[in-house]
Amino acid sequence: QVQLQESGPGLVKPSQTLSLTCTVSGGSIGSGSYHWSWIRQPAGKGLEWIGRIFTTENTNYNPSLKSRVTMSVDTSKNQFSLKVSSVTAADTAVYYCARGDTTMSYYYMDVWGKGTTVTVSS
Amino acid sequence: DIQMTQSPSSLSASVGDRVTITCRASQSISSYLNWYQQKPGKAPKLLIYGASNLQSGVPSRFSGSGSGTDFTLTISSLQPEDFATYYCQQSYSTPTWTFGQGTKVESK
Repeated sequence: QVQLQESGPGLVKPSQTLSLTCTVSGGSIGSGSYHWSWIRQPAGKGLEWIGRIFTTENTNYNPSLKSRVTMSVDTSKNQFSLKVSSVTAADTAVYYCARGDTTMSYYYMDVWGKGTTVTVSS
Repeated sequence: DIQMTQSPSSLSASVGDRVTITCRASQSISSYLNWYQQKPGKAPKLLIYGASNLQSGVPSRFSGSGSGTDFTLTISSLQPEDFATYYCQQSYSTPTWTFGQGTKVESK
């Protein structure tokens, strides 16, 4: 059974870069036609999709964050990563990684990590 | 961007009740609509994909319907473990997948 686990600093200073890694276990990140997403959720608020990456390294980013977001994948480590530059307090949130799949052309996110809290504060 | 609007924002219901949650898209998204359940402190869980397809392992009391701009999630007989927040999400418009604001189902 595939599991995802986010890791990274829980505290980031304003204007710095937030860096998170998602480790995939129980399966190969390169198997199948999956894609790998990041989603975030400020405390008490709704979900915001940040973007996704394929193992071909093709990416799609939310236009609202595109200028500050970079995603990468390391198939040898079974990991994918997120970087958000020039962070502000508005980037404080729980960050989730998720596996995306496709059935009958419908995209969805079917396996999620437990989430990691990132606080932006000096 | 495609905006997703859920109604109601919250509702109170009792075990055994039939519960219906609505999601409306700002433009047609065909059937590219997913539903997720989230419990406090937990990650979202996929319930329905493609508007009406039940994800493997999800109880059959959950069902989804709709196409175009109007969608519905129905819980036929609410169970104690179903008290949670439910989100719709459109996957029609890449690269901007968007979620609804959520509907919290609380105990009456």
